[in-house]
Amino acid sequence: AAGVIQSPRHLIKEKRETATLKCYPIPRHDTVYWYQQGPGQDPQFLISFYEKMQSDKGSIPDRFSAQQFSDYHSELNMSSLELGDSALYFCASSPRAARGNTIYFGEGSWLTVV
Amino acid sequence: KNQVEQSPQSLIILEGKNCTLQCNYTVSPFSNLRWYKQDTGRGPVSLTIMTFSENTKSNGRYTATLDADTKQSSLHITASQLSDSASYICVVSPYSSASKIIFGSGTRLSIRP
Repeated sequence: AAGVIQSPRHLIKEKRETATLKCYPIPRHDTVYWYQQGPGQDPQFLISFYEKMQSDKGSIPDRFSAQQFSDYHSELNMSSLELGDSALYFCASSPRAARGNTIYFGEGSWLTVV
Repeated sequence: KNQVEQSPQSLIILEGKNCTLQCNYTVSPFSNLRWYKQDTGRGPVSLTIMTFSENTKSNGRYTATLDADTKQSSLHITASQLSDSASYICVVSPYSSASKIIFGSGTRLSIRP
């Protein structure tokens, strides 16, 4: 069965550079979530989209932005990268608002800022 | 204070043995409770999902229980295998906001041959 696809899997950037992560949800899933998980930390919710509109916002820094496109894939754009942005970023998808539905996670994208 | 507490933080058992992981939560009201398995550096994989009205749900060798009155859930793993070594995370969805699911800190399970 198709899963949530994230790319790239690994990314190394220098401080103050920009990075873009992509997420392709499971077919027919219209809700996408982005999470940031630092080493040894709980995943932190960043932002979510439902039907291409932002549905919820968590602890996403102002330097980050995200959007969901017409094909439901989503991109997380991170600018002015800082060392503390080094983390595993994973996205998840679910049908509709996930209430009562399973949220499926991607494999994650490792971002290392040097 | 985390609204989802898991215990133990880490656990080591021998291959073939059973184990039970605990999850206590204070999130109320909640929509559902999920257990995930997360291998190091990878995204969580769903094991079970239960609504407040469900008491137990099984997925192969994994059986989750839920007591909505005491706000406790457990994940029981039978006949453990080396591939079960991972972090097991309890995740609760508040009824008020499905997006802001609350993660427990996980239990790091290590299976020894």
